Amino acid sequence: QSALTQPASVSGSPGQSITISCTGTNSDIADYNYVSWYQQHPGKAPQLIIYDVRHRPSGVSSRFSGSKSGNTASLTISGLQAEDEAEYYCSSYSTTNTLVVFGGGTKLTVL
Amino acid sequence: QVHLVQSGAEMKNPGSSVKVSCTASGGAFSSYTLSWVRQAPGQGLEWMGGIIPVFGPANYAQKFQDRVTITADASTRTAYMELNSLRSEDTAVYYCASGIVPATIFSYHSMDVWGQGTTVSVSS
Repeated sequence: QSALTQPASVSGSPGQSITISCTGTNSDIADYNYVSWYQQHPGKAPQLIIYDVRHRPSGVSSRFSGSKSGNTASLTISGLQAEDEAEYYCSSYSTTNTLVVFGGGTKLTVL
Repeated sequence: QVHLVQSGAEMKNPGSSVKVSCTASGGAFSSYTLSWVRQAPGQGLEWMGGIIPVFGPANYAQKFQDRVTITADASTRTAYMELNSLRSEDTAVYYCASGIVPATIFSYHSMDVWGQGTTVSVSS
């Protein structure tokens, strides 16, 4: 069982927007603005797409955006494209028995 | 930007150890976090621990603290992850990953550059 809770799957049609949630606790998301999001295509290494809640690394599309409210962080992908179909993971700094916790991952299907 | 290259796939017997290397080229090395993350077949990501080479001692997830050793050699720009007492559940792809911001204890979560992954298979 992962420390952060994500929906197992989400789907959307090309051009639409989708949001993936990531729920944590007072030991991670609620008390710290240290949340990241990763995109992983099958057989590939993860790619950082959002860090520190809402910052995009250089080269990442502006269609990806992040936010946080209370103990829940969110990733929004606007203008869905076929290439966005992938697994998405959230992560956070944590004060528990590990410095980094991950969500279980969300499979995004572009219909 | 830094580029990370990991050592090759390993096949190990239960009870043995494995040591995976991660060599950086280009960009900064010592002042950014270097984490080890594993992914079992069909499963999610799991942070094992990390090191900030300029600071020295590694930080470990409690789950692995008794079995893993993470080190870094700034002179060769290489980090290592050694996992002992291997069992079948350790079969996974092991990634090294470098941070995006100058390192603090808070920045392990943001891993910008990833190695290609090293498959470790544990079976008798």
